[in-house]
Formats: sequence, C-alpha cells, structure tokens
Amino acid sequence: DQQVKQNSPSLSVQEGRISILNCDYTNSMFDYFLWYKKYPAEGPTFLISISSIKDKNEDGRFTVFLNKSAKHLSLHIVPSQPGDSAVYFCAARYGGSQGNLIFGKGTKLSVKP
Amino acid sequence: DAGVIQSPRHEVTEMGQEVTLRCKPISGHNSLFWYRQTMMRGLELLIYFNNNVPIDDSGMPEDRFSAKMPNASFSTLKIQPSEPRDSAVYFCATLRRTANTGELFFGEGSRLTVL
Repeated sequence: DQQVKQNSPSLSVQEGRISILNCDYTNSMFDYFLWYKKYPAEGPTFLISISSIKDKNEDGRFTVFLNKSAKHLSLHIVPSQPGDSAVYFCAARYGGSQGNLIFGKGTKLSVKP
Repeated sequence: DAGVIQSPRHEVTEMGQEVTLRCKPISGHNSLFWYRQTMMRGLELLIYFNNNVPIDDSGMPEDRFSAKMPNASFSTLKIQPSEPRDSAVYFCATLRRTANTGELFFGEGSRLTVL
C-alpha cells in the first residue's frame, strides 16, 4: 500500500513553459515533504521542501504547494529548462526529526527545446 | 567535502553468490539509510540506522538481506545468496539529525545485476 503516490510516470513540457508535478499522500502524520531530482547514473539530490504547517515554499524557479485537506502537493517549475529533464521524486517524512522518508515512484520530466 | 561514498558502482554476479555493498557516510551525519530503486517499486527503504543502531529494518525483503553499521563511518548491505530479482540500484543516504528538514544526502548508488 503506497503512502506516497506520483500517478504520472512521465511528463513532457516545452522549454519556457510551466512544469507541474503532482504527488498525493495518505498519512496525515507526515510532517515534512521534500522533492528530489535524479539524473541518470547519479543519486537523488534534494531540491526543495515544505513543512506541513505551510502551504507554499518558493526557491527561484521552483515552488512547492501543499494542500493538506486534499493530501496533495505539487512542484511547479517556471520557466522550464532542458536541464530540468530528470526524474523527480516526492518524499514525505514521518516520525519527526528521528523518522525517515517515504518516496513516491517518481515522475520523469522531459523539457523539449 | 566528500559526499556519501558507495562501492562498488557496478556489480555483476551470478545467482547464489554473496554480494556486499559498502557505504561511507558524510562525516558528522548520524543517520544512515539503505534504499533500493527498481522500475516497479521506485525507491524503497530497506533499513536505517541512528547513531549506528538499526532502527527500522521492516523494509528488508527477506533473511537473505542483512545490514551492519559497525562504526559511524562505515556500513554494509549484504545479500546472501543473491537472486536475479535482487537486481536493482542500491542507494545509501545520510543525514544529520540536528537538521530539522529531513534532507537526505544520497550516494551515487551501486547497480547490482544478478544473472
């Protein structure tokens, strides 16, 4: 039973447009949500996070939105660039600062020039 | 600063052989995680350690898998005997528990192929 779901395995976007990656979760005890980016043959790298007490966090071209009532979060990339092409993993933390992360299966983003 | 270091990067072995994957965490990071990535299941947590102590190993698939962390600078994940279905990329990740964000630092992974 997946607690963190990324229902779109892939997404294709034109350069300069907005990319929206979605993530749903089932456990209301998650207290932190993170997005990771992964290039082929490399480990995932941290991109942006949001606490469960907030509904938005922005870092440059990347914005994460959290809708707790819907148990949904999304990552917006504006404007998208070809270098953003990668697999994006949504992750949720439970157990507080001593807990661990549960990851979704990932969404492969392709940004076309 | 060196990141999380994993070895080997690639391992090809035959069914039934023992496989040992190694991880050196970032200095000062007191939690270490082993993840497995497959196309079907994505990133699965196998086991994690806090201060060298195993906390949750419920993700370890079966008794063929074992993990140790004898000290703060080294961990191993062992599969004995290996099977073709163990083929995957295995990631080690670490974090410093004083940081509240839960941000993990991943190694580059060990790609295992069991023939």
